Amino acid sequence: DTEVTQTPKHLVMGMTNKKSLKCEQHMGHRAMYWYKQKAKKPPELMFVYSYEKLSINESVPSRFSPECPNSSLLNLHLHALQPEDSALYLCASSQPLAWTYNEQFFGPGTRLTVL
Amino acid sequence: ELKVEQNPLFLSMQEGKNYTIYCNYSTTSDRLYWYRQDPGKSLESLFVLLSNGAVKQEGRLMASLDTKARLSTLHITAAVHDLSATYFCAGRNGNKLVFGAGTILRVKS
Repeated sequence: DTEVTQTPKHLVMGMTNKKSLKCEQHMGHRAMYWYKQKAKKPPELMFVYSYEKLSINESVPSRFSPECPNSSLLNLHLHALQPEDSALYLCASSQPLAWTYNEQFFGPGTRLTVL
Repeated sequence: ELKVEQNPLFLSMQEGKNYTIYCNYSTTSDRLYWYRQDPGKSLESLFVLLSNGAVKQEGRLMASLDTKARLSTLHITAAVHDLSATYFCAGRNGNKLVFGAGTILRVKS
């Protein structure tokens, strides 16, 4: 299985809502990532988990809260978002840093709209 | 801090002709990646280049890496319509990928 799955595909939420994005991989990867991508821009790294521990937080506002319950799952909890947070949210996974081929495999993304 | 620059940012190609995208990076990056993204879709890994002089080919795409010049190129041979997409190069800084701005390719008949 060489796939990263993400749910939901689309999400519309109000600024007072709480929602979660989910990501799953079964490739045995031990690093997982959240990216945010605005239209016509490259992906921007938000968080990195390595061996289920948060290793990088790119100064992301606290209204985004990541969670890695186990080596296959990655969640992104959303609360009190702003309209400018509307974007495509991509999850990725890879082998650990020291591996030769640690290319990141991306999921299909969740298209988030904040009203 | 690693910075990655791509050019051109937009490339209008005629079918059957050859083109090159350039990717420069500012500091040492021990790997260089190329990804493709179709509109509204996710990123698809094309190539991982590990060492100086590395060359990889898949179909009409060929990627190369010159670590001394801090330059990678993506060469397109005899462009066809289904190559239309956005192409990103990315360098690696620790566990972080640093992406270039992307090159939008459009192939015209």
